[in-house]
Amino acid sequence: LAKTTQPISMDSYEGQEVNITCSHNNIATNDYITWYQQFPSQGPRFIIQGYKTKVTNEVASLFIPADRKSSTLSLPRVSLSDTAVYYCLVGDRGANTDKLIFGTGTRLQVFP
Amino acid sequence: DAGVTQSPTHLIKTRGQQVTLRCSPKSGHDTVSWYQQALGQGPQFIFQYYEEEERQRGNFPDRFSGHQFPNYSSELNVNALLLGDSALYLCASRSIAGGADATQYFGPGTRLLVL
Repeated sequence: LAKTTQPISMDSYEGQEVNITCSHNNIATNDYITWYQQFPSQGPRFIIQGYKTKVTNEVASLFIPADRKSSTLSLPRVSLSDTAVYYCLVGDRGANTDKLIFGTGTRLQVFP
Repeated sequence: DAGVTQSPTHLIKTRGQQVTLRCSPKSGHDTVSWYQQALGQGPQFIFQYYEEEERQRGNFPDRFSGHQFPNYSSELNVNALLLGDSALYLCASRSIAGGADATQYFGPGTRLLVL
């Protein structure tokens, strides 16, 4: 399973767009990129998943360049409630393996 | 549609005791995984259960064991508790059929404190 590298922390202000970049140089051909959000003392919550190019849902966008060695989670117009830890994971979604490897994540702090 | 549920929410035990944590998967899901999350760290995979059998295991000692029932619910058992077992224990479920819904969904966790 590919290892990921993310910034340890980021600060932002309400209303701003936040971009969190994840590096995954050893990503395999069958690997998907998944982002989870976690609030203190709660389970991680699925945000978005993608394989290549761009994926958008009601919460976020995920940008993946052609070489797939990195990805960027984009949160538009963050609010105080977006303060959380964000985890980037890569893995073979079709391999029927549930062993997700979490790093230490990116701690996002949103200020008023 | 109920999501993943876990019980109890909090638990306090003393060293050497045994503990059982419970998980009910999201409706329609048939595989359950357990994770341990120490304070300030990301979740660490313990094991996965499918068809009432342990299918995958992370780097955890035999003191950690589990069970899956015919209704897909699961238990995590930890024997001979150590102070270092204090953590948030998370249960995640998904459908083994995979495809577009292969994403794992996590429960709220059980906070275990070992004194």
